[in-house]
Amino acid sequence: RKEVEQDPGPFNVPEGATVAFNCTYSNSASQSFFWYRQDCRKEPKLLMSVYSSGNEDGRFTAQLNRASQYISLLIRDSKLSDSATYLCVPLDTGRRALTFGSGTRLQVQP
Amino acid sequence: DVKVTQSSRYLVKRTGEKVFLECVQDMDHENMFWYRQDPGLGLRLIYFSYDVKMKEKGDIPEGYSVSREKKERFSLILESASTNQTSMYLCASSPSLGQGLTHTQYFGPGTRLTVL
Repeated sequence: RKEVEQDPGPFNVPEGATVAFNCTYSNSASQSFFWYRQDCRKEPKLLMSVYSSGNEDGRFTAQLNRASQYISLLIRDSKLSDSATYLCVPLDTGRRALTFGSGTRLQVQP
Repeated sequence: DVKVTQSSRYLVKRTGEKVFLECVQDMDHENMFWYRQDPGLGLRLIYFSYDVKMKEKGDIPEGYSVSREKKERFSLILESASTNQTSMYLCASSPSLGQGLTHTQYFGPGTRLTVL
């Protein structure tokens, strides 16, 4: 099983829609998570950090389900500018480096 | 504002050439990383460094080496470039949380390397 698994998508949604995607992780010891956003041909940038059961930042909500070992990202009222690839990253406290998921591509259409 | 810069945005090299990719960060971060990113494979860690002159192999170190002589600079070296090393190379840095734990990573703009 891969350490981090994400549906590659693409998720095609109209502007204003609510969209959610999941990320499953294999290391049950992971305590914290990051969601990164990567625009086409650009570098990844931190979107949000999740240190407990979840986090909310404006239109973005991340929720952690430890029992089932997945973390979700919910985007409400999608904007065209939300079109990007979203990378899930669990923080493994036993390792110095991060393991990035391969990402879920979101395309918001007018 | 954290800034991570990479020496080139685009690079074209020939098979067998020695290639140097340079990365500089200006936030006094302890940790620095080199990744390659390929379609469908995501970001894969090549090497990382948690201190000057310290380095650790990532998941795919074969064919690569690194150098960290100064805290702000982390170099990736392809000793003899091959066509399967054509990829996007991304450098990142992060502060340390102590106990060697890494935290939020800040990425450079990437170098798209083509090996002919």
